[in-house]
Amino acid sequence: GQNIDQPTEMTATEGAIVQINCTYQTSGFNGLFWYQQHAGEAPTFLSYNVLDGLEEKGRFSSFLSRSKGYSYLLLKELQMKDSASYLCAVRDPPDSNYQLIWGAGTKLIIKP
Amino acid sequence: GAVVSQHPSRVICKSGTSVKIECRSLDFQATTMFWYRQFPKQSLMLMATSNEGSKATYEQGVEKDKFLINHASLTLSTLTVTSAHPEDSSFYICSARVSSGRFSEQFFGPGTRLTVL
Repeated sequence: GQNIDQPTEMTATEGAIVQINCTYQTSGFNGLFWYQQHAGEAPTFLSYNVLDGLEEKGRFSSFLSRSKGYSYLLLKELQMKDSASYLCAVRDPPDSNYQLIWGAGTKLIIKP
Repeated sequence: GAVVSQHPSRVICKSGTSVKIECRSLDFQATTMFWYRQFPKQSLMLMATSNEGSKATYEQGVEKDKFLINHASLTLSTLTVTSAHPEDSSFYICSARVSSGRFSEQFFGPGTRLTVL
């Protein structure tokens, strides 16, 4: 079956670094997405990985290992506004509509 | 990035009424639009996928006669919750897919919070 696992909740300190892990078991793979979702708002796109390795974008980086079915989102220099849920999603072909399979999300709490 | 709008942002209605939610891609033509539902503290649940000019594809367990989807153009899709009941109260989010070379990203609308009394 299709399954995406990520921790339910994490806590970190302002200015620190946090790593949010995501493991997946899907019948196919055509890319992994990370989205940020603040409470009561829609998700916003953070990153996309389709090849193994690290993608860096400012304070956020995302890593992918396809052989291990594993990804992580790394957030540096944490700010209070980073408190949100972080959703991992996998695109599983050959669906031509490019549907995403979603994890349940990791709620990140930033403390001063 | 591409902008997707949703209207209304919040609606409160009586049980038994129907509610229409609009999803528009403002500055691009969306190949596909997706409708999601999200209950508190839960992840997004895909309800249906719609392509312009064709019938929507509904996920298992989603009643197509209750959740009517009309994808009239490449920039507009509507979701109508017919005969709404309190259990339909949820956060409804649409997204639009745009092909952009390396990958096809989904851009999300701001969501519609539906409360059925």
